[in-house]
Amino acid sequence: ETGVTQTPRHLVMGMTNKKSLKCEQHLGHNAMYWYKQSAKKPLELMFVYNFKEQTENNSVPSRFSPECPNSSHLFLHLHTLQPEDSALYLCASSQGLTLNTEAFFGQGTRLTVV
Amino acid sequence: QKEVEQNSGPLSVPEGAIASLNCTYSDRGSQSFFWYRQYSGKSPELIMSIYSNGDKEDGRFTAQLNKASQYVSLLIRDSQPSDSATYLCAVNIEWADGLTFGKGTHLIIQP
Repeated sequence: ETGVTQTPRHLVMGMTNKKSLKCEQHLGHNAMYWYKQSAKKPLELMFVYNFKEQTENNSVPSRFSPECPNSSHLFLHLHTLQPEDSALYLCASSQGLTLNTEAFFGQGTRLTVV
Repeated sequence: QKEVEQNSGPLSVPEGAIASLNCTYSDRGSQSFFWYRQYSGKSPELIMSIYSNGDKEDGRFTAQLNKASQYVSLLIRDSQPSDSATYLCAVNIEWADGLTFGKGTHLIIQP
């Protein structure tokens, strides 16, 4: 079992659907992140949570809605997505936001919007 | 503005040779630097971190940091076919939370 677990691993959804991605970390970390990875583009930071508080929202469209109920769990709620939102969505965690911190990734959710 | 830049490759290296991967970054306030390896269809895996100028060695991997030149590199000695992957450079930029990634370098080790 990895330290950061994401479910589901694969998701196909229509543009009118509502779905949620889940991430759980078992590392005792305090910071959690959502990243988007599209083909030919670098990993894009979407949201950052530190001690359950959102510290960064990188101009992400409102059709992506994060939720962090505690330091171990992170959700990404999806609604009325577009085909260009199809990508690998990666969750990561780190001890904190101090500079010398290392981030560990979950396996990712491969999302396809049809 | 491109904050972290890498040559996308592919970089082809014969088995047993040294693979050299390079990364430049734009923010002089950057303090922490990381190398991740990502196999096709998998998530990134942390392989090295470096925080101060100079070299840091871990097994077959050596990370090199030169803050004056805003340059960080990863050397892989005795390259193996299993090293074939995309290598992502990541930087913790001073003014932002979370890591900023380069596009990655696709490395191919030829048997």
